[in-house]
Amino acid sequence: GENVEQHPSTLSVQEGDSAVIKCTYSDSASNYFPWYKQELGKGPQLIIDIRSNVGEKKDQRIAVTLNKTAKHFSLHITETQPEDSAVYFCAASLDTGGFKTIFGAGTRLFVKA
Amino acid sequence: DAGITQSPRHKVTETGTPVTLRCHQTENHRYMYWYRQDPGHGLRLIHYSYGVKDTDKGEVSDGYSVSRSKTEDFLLTLESATSSQTSVYFCAISESKALMGYGYTFGSGTRLTVV
Repeated sequence: GENVEQHPSTLSVQEGDSAVIKCTYSDSASNYFPWYKQELGKGPQLIIDIRSNVGEKKDQRIAVTLNKTAKHFSLHITETQPEDSAVYFCAASLDTGGFKTIFGAGTRLFVKA
Repeated sequence: DAGITQSPRHKVTETGTPVTLRCHQTENHRYMYWYRQDPGHGLRLIHYSYGVKDTDKGEVSDGYSVSRSKTEDFLLTLESATSSQTSVYFCAISESKALMGYGYTFGSGTRLTVV
């Protein structure tokens, strides 16, 4: 079945620096890749997504890139701020007759002021 | 989280007892999901529903059952709770299949401890 690996598990950056989180997926049929941000004590919140027919998508300080050939996608956060500190999850969606989204294990991002 | 509520938010129960968690949505979304979140495992799908009385298993469904008698409510039942089911449980809803490009909206979670 589909497997999603996410790296790094923990990332610490200085405020104003960029942060990059990388994910790889195993099933080439996956065609939708969302990213979620989870703050302490809350449920994950969708922050950006990309479809397999698009190579890059940007929304203000966050961007996602997708390399279908290599089966990996990345989240880029520029000009990081303390409020960006959270756990980030990547995910890949695969249609096998059910509605299944497979999540990565998460990356805990610390932004130091 | 607007439009989706989970209850209870916290629960401590004893091994062997049945437990039911409730997810209620006001968005009239067709699809509802139950995930569990454990350190190092991310979010894993337990069961999902694609309509009233239409449900199917996810990757970690053993020991769990679900029911959906109304569009707005999706119940998760632990038939006989075990310590391995101690976890944070999240309900999620979506407008369409995930592959169609509609992400999930998650509830705030239920922290369940089985002692």
